[in-house]
Parts: sequence; C-alpha cells; structure tokens
Amino acid sequence: QVQLQESGPGLVKPSQTLSLTCTVSGGSISSGSYYWSWIRQPAGKGLEWIGRVYSDGNTIYNPSLKSRVTISLDTSKNQFSLNLNSVTAADTAVYYCTRWGSGTSPTWGQGILVTVSS
Amino acid sequence: DIVMTQSPDSLAVSLGERATINCKSSQSVLYSSNNKNYLAWYQQKPGQPPKLLISWASTRESGVPDRFSGSGSGTDFTLTISSLQAEDVAVYYCHQFYSAPSTFGQGTNLEIK
Repeated sequence: QVQLQESGPGLVKPSQTLSLTCTVSGGSISSGSYYWSWIRQPAGKGLEWIGRVYSDGNTIYNPSLKSRVTISLDTSKNQFSLNLNSVTAADTAVYYCTRWGSGTSPTWGQGILVTVSS
Repeated sequence: DIVMTQSPDSLAVSLGERATINCKSSQSVLYSSNNKNYLAWYQQKPGQPPKLLISWASTRESGVPDRFSGSGSGTDFTLTISSLQAEDVAVYYCHQFYSAPSTFGQGTNLEIK
C-alpha cells in the first residue's frame, strides 16, 4: 500500500521560497495513472488544493496560486515536490501531499507545518 | 470550478442518535464512463490529518466502522453516522476529485448534545 511522507523546512522567511518534498513508498511514482497533489490547511481553517502533477509530468495549479507555484516529479528519487515563492504569513499552514487516480481513492501524507515568519 | 457546499456548518447530536451531513456540488462529479462519483468524505480531529472515511460517494474504507455510510450521486451527497459515539466528535469534509481544481466543502463541526 502506497504511503506518502512530507519533508522540508518548518520555518520560511517572508518573500522567500517554500520548498517541500513528498517521498512515496510502496509504489513507483512513474507507474500507473495518478494525480500527485499538494493541499494545505491554515490553522483553524478549511482545506485548499494547491495543484497537481500527473504521472506523465503535466501540471495544473489552483488559479489563486498559479503565479507562485511549481510542482514537479523526481522519478529517480520517487518523490514529488512543491515550490511556492514570495511567501507571506498567509502561506502559513499544514501542507499535505496526496495521491489519487481515475480508479484509486485518495491517499494522504501526515502533513507538515510550515510557518512563514522572520 | 466546482463549488462544494456542506450543510449544516455545525451539528450537535446526542450519543446513540443519527447524524446526517449533506454536501452539494455545483456540477456533477459523476464520471459517466465508469459510473463513479468522484466524491470523498473525511473526518478530521484536532492536530490530525484528514482521515478518509468514504470514497466514490458510498464505499467505506477498510477499518471504518459500519455506522458510517455515504450516499448520493451526481450533485447531492450525504454522510450518515447511524449511532453517534463520543469518538466521532470531529470536523467532517466532503471533497470532489472529479476535476481540477479539486475542491472541498467548508467543513461540518460535529459535537455531542
């Protein structure tokens, strides 16, 4: 059964780039037809989809974040990553990596708290 | 974008009683080629990630108690807890993964009356 684990800095300074990695175990990131997504949740608030990368590398981003987001696959490490630039305090949240497919229900990582503060 | 609207925003139910949460999508999330509704329900407790309870609108995940059930198709969905237990206190979310951007309901806060 596939498992996902987020990693990266827990503290990022304003105006800098937030970079997170999701390590996939129990399955190959390059096999099958899956959507690998990032989702975030500010404290006490709801869930916001950031964007996704398909198994073939194609990406789609939330229009509200599109100008600042890059999501990519690293098949050699069986990982996918999130880069969010020009961060502000509003980007402080728990970030989750997830996977689903046309016939596969969603799987979530445990999440990582990222705080934007100087 | 598909807008997901849950009702109610909060709900207080007595132990052993039924709890019902509704979710309405602004567009159908039923994929006609495989007849699957791309609709999931999650339970989230403080400090924990969302836990997948129901996928494909009505398929209970392994290990989820059978008091949880999901129903509906197209644009209208329901999560039912048949007999509320103390450990069911949580926030519940619906989620459409039919199309991008994937979207969530605003959440329903379930409490004990």
